[in-house]
Amino acid sequence: DVKVTQSSRYLVKRTGEKVFLECVQDMDHENMFWYRQDPGLGLRLIYFSYDVKMKEKGDIPEGYSVSREKKERFSLILESASTNQTSMYLCASSLYYEQYFGPGTRLTVT
Amino acid sequence: DQQVKQNSPSLSVQEGRISILNCDYTNSMFDYFLWYKKYPAEGPTFLISISSIKDKNEDGRFTVFLNKSAKHLSLHIVPSQPGDSAVYFCAPQAGGTSYGKLTFGQGTILTVHP
Repeated sequence: DVKVTQSSRYLVKRTGEKVFLECVQDMDHENMFWYRQDPGLGLRLIYFSYDVKMKEKGDIPEGYSVSREKKERFSLILESASTNQTSMYLCASSLYYEQYFGPGTRLTVT
Repeated sequence: DQQVKQNSPSLSVQEGRISILNCDYTNSMFDYFLWYKKYPAEGPTFLISISSIKDKNEDGRFTVFLNKSAKHLSLHIVPSQPGDSAVYFCAPQAGGTSYGKLTFGQGTILTVHP
């Protein structure tokens, strides 16, 4: 079974803090993705990576950056957290079409 | 510009009846279509998919229909069960060098009443 794990289920941070969200997959997948989910907006793609050290902007990259130093790990970084980044963050990995998701991190920025 | 639209935010059905969830898209480059199911506080899980070369795919109680000319797909659940209550997302994918990138609809909340 594919397993995608995320470092925290719930996180509370203050405005202006630097935030790291970690994602690890155990299936040797090439592709990894970061989404945020907000009510009524579905899942929106922030960044994705198709290889180590490679990254591509998704639909809403502003305010975020990513790092992929190892194939199994994909990190999302909020350089200076703001209240409008309060959301559910979901990480996924894939080999071809089907993406496998982690359980999500509920981030609250106060 | 929303490329994928699920126009019904919610759907309520009785146990044992059919649930029909709809999805419309605008991008003619989409060639593979996936449905995901999401329970609260969990990540989405893959449910069923269909390639653009087909117009129907079945898997147990779940059937997905694709109408390419109308750029419309639907997910049928028969019979519906209370455990099917969840948010359902359609997620098409474009071919070529998309690296498996999916475009998600807004989701439809399905509630199945016992």
